[in-house]
Amino acid sequence: KAGVTQTPRYLIKTRGQQVTLSCSPISGHRSVSWYQQTPGQGLQFLFEYFSETQRNKGNFPGRFSGRQFSNSRSEMNVSTLELGDSALYLCASTVSRLAGDYEQFFGPGTRLTVL
Amino acid sequence: AQSVTQPDIHITVSEGASLELRCNYSYGATPYLFWYVQSPGQGLQLLLKYFSGDTLVQGIKGFEAEFKRSQSSFNLRKPSVHWSDAAEYFCAVGPFGNEKLTFGTGTRLTIIP
Repeated sequence: KAGVTQTPRYLIKTRGQQVTLSCSPISGHRSVSWYQQTPGQGLQFLFEYFSETQRNKGNFPGRFSGRQFSNSRSEMNVSTLELGDSALYLCASTVSRLAGDYEQFFGPGTRLTVL
Repeated sequence: AQSVTQPDIHITVSEGASLELRCNYSYGATPYLFWYVQSPGQGLQLLLKYFSGDTLVQGIKGFEAEFKRSQSSFNLRKPSVHWSDAAEYFCAVGPFGNEKLTFGTGTRLTIIP
């Protein structure tokens, strides 16, 4: 089974631009979560989508948004980029098991650099 | 609010030595607990998880962890480390029925020959 795919793997943008990152979950997984990883703040939850609906949201400004398509693929968008948005953005695909059990499988991440 | 503390930022061990990485959590109910490993430039790989039942859980690559409710801990152990275990290790807690994980700050593991 193919793993979680994230594109692009690397991205360089300038302040004020916007960026869209893509994530394809493991086949059959309907839940996708996004995390931001920085040296200063560590791993922080951005949002989670299930069946095209946002179920959970972290404490990030409205410049960060996402969506999920009917095939479970997800995109996240960051508008008006700031230097502090430079980070590794990780996507996780979740499989739900019995009685509330679940596991998250992470993709390799997209390394965003804002100049 | 849930939180995770990994008190050790960096640990160095000799190849073949035993390893224990510490993790303490704060959560109001029974937590879901996870250990992930991240190699440089890579995503996170799930090593093991505690969901319920037996408090000693076995994972991949010879790792195990023990859930101790009284100490709010979920320490990761390995009896004999290999050079390939050098990486960063993250402990995470997740609430029941909610896939929003809270991660610790990570422990970087260095292996010396």
